[in-house]
Order: sequence, then structure tokens, then C-alpha cells
Amino acid sequence: QQQVKQSPQSLIVQKGGISIINCAYENTAFDYFPWYQQFPGKGPALLIAIRPDVSEKKEGRFTISFNKSAKQFSLHIMDSQPGDSATYFCASPPLSGGYNKLIFGAGTRLAVHP
Amino acid sequence: GAGVSQSPSNKVTEKGKDVELRCDPISGHTALYWYRQSLGQGLEFLIYFQGNSAPDKSGLPSDRFSAERTGGSVSTLTIQRTQQEDSAVYLCASSLQSDSNQPQHFGDGTRLSIL
Repeated sequence: QQQVKQSPQSLIVQKGGISIINCAYENTAFDYFPWYQQFPGKGPALLIAIRPDVSEKKEGRFTISFNKSAKQFSLHIMDSQPGDSATYFCASPPLSGGYNKLIFGAGTRLAVHP
Repeated sequence: GAGVSQSPSNKVTEKGKDVELRCDPISGHTALYWYRQSLGQGLEFLIYFQGNSAPDKSGLPSDRFSAERTGGSVSTLTIQRTQQEDSAVYLCASSLQSDSNQPQHFGDGTRLSIL
């Protein structure tokens, strides 16, 4: 039972382009939407997160856009760089409730070509 | 400061053997999580500890899997009678507390290979 649907599965972007990754969630009671970045051989690291009382949050080249009515949030990477090549995960708590664990999306493997 | 430390970083063992994986969380973090990541896949929740409360074991895939956390700090994930499908990267994370808006800090994982 998939509770966090992430797309696309993989993405290839040219250097300087915009990378867009989407996430659809089901738990409407959730109030915190994080994105994690994972490099090969490393654990995931929190990249950016948003609360649903705002529609957008920007940190440097990374922006989260939040659409509460559609139950979707997306990650935009502006001016994508080869160093951004990694796997990106969105996360949400499960429908069964509880804020003490996260259900992760399947991940998006981003490759930024020079 | 020190992050989440996991050991060993790699473990190769024969099918049927027991393995123990260790996680040393960030000092002061009361919440500790274990996840499993199969090759090219997302993260699968296994178990969660918060302080002295009973752990949430809802993600453990079978009774061959168990975990404990001693003294509210170091945790050990044990897999008994390992099977080839147990091959994966086992990730540990910790956070300041169990609130949803506290980021989870991950270690680099233990890559487990069952021959």
C-alpha cells in the first residue's frame, strides 16, 4: 500500500537547467514535509522541509512548492549542477498515524550532465 | 560534532548465520530509528525507539529480526538465521525527539550481503 507516490523515478537534466520532482501524499493530518538527498554510499540527509501553512519555501537553489488541495508537494532545483546528482526522497508519516516514523517515497535518481 | 555512527560498514556472511548491526546515535538524541534500503529502492521503516517507551516494532519483516537499545543510547539490530533476501543496506537515524518536525539524522549504513 503505497502512501507516498514520488515521480519521476529517474531524471536527466543538463547543467543549468531546472530539476522538478513531485510527491503525492495521503496523510492530510501531516504538518511537515521533508525532502532528503542521498549520495552513493552515504545515508540520506535532510535537504529542505516545509510546513503546510506556507505554499513555498526557498533555500538557495532549492525550492519546495506545496499544493494542499491536491495533496502534492514538489522539489525544484534551479540552475542544476553536476554536484546535485543524487537520489532524492520525499517523506510523510503513515496513514495509520504517528509522527514517530516516516514513510519514504521510492526515490528519484537525478543525473545532471555537464 | 559526531554524527550517527554505524558498524560495521560492510558485512558479508553465510546464509543461516546470525548478524548484529550496531548504531551509535548523536549524543542527546532520544529517538532512534532503523530502516532497510534494498538496492536501488526507497527506505523501509523497521523499528523506532523513543526514550524508555516500548519500541514501535511494526516494520520488522519477520520474527528473525529484533532490536534493542541499551541505556537509551546505542542500539543493536539482530537478524537471526539470515536469508539471501535480507541482503540490503541497513540505515540507522536519530532525532532530538519524536516530533514530526525534528529532522532525522542518518548514519551511512551497514551494507549486508548474505551469500
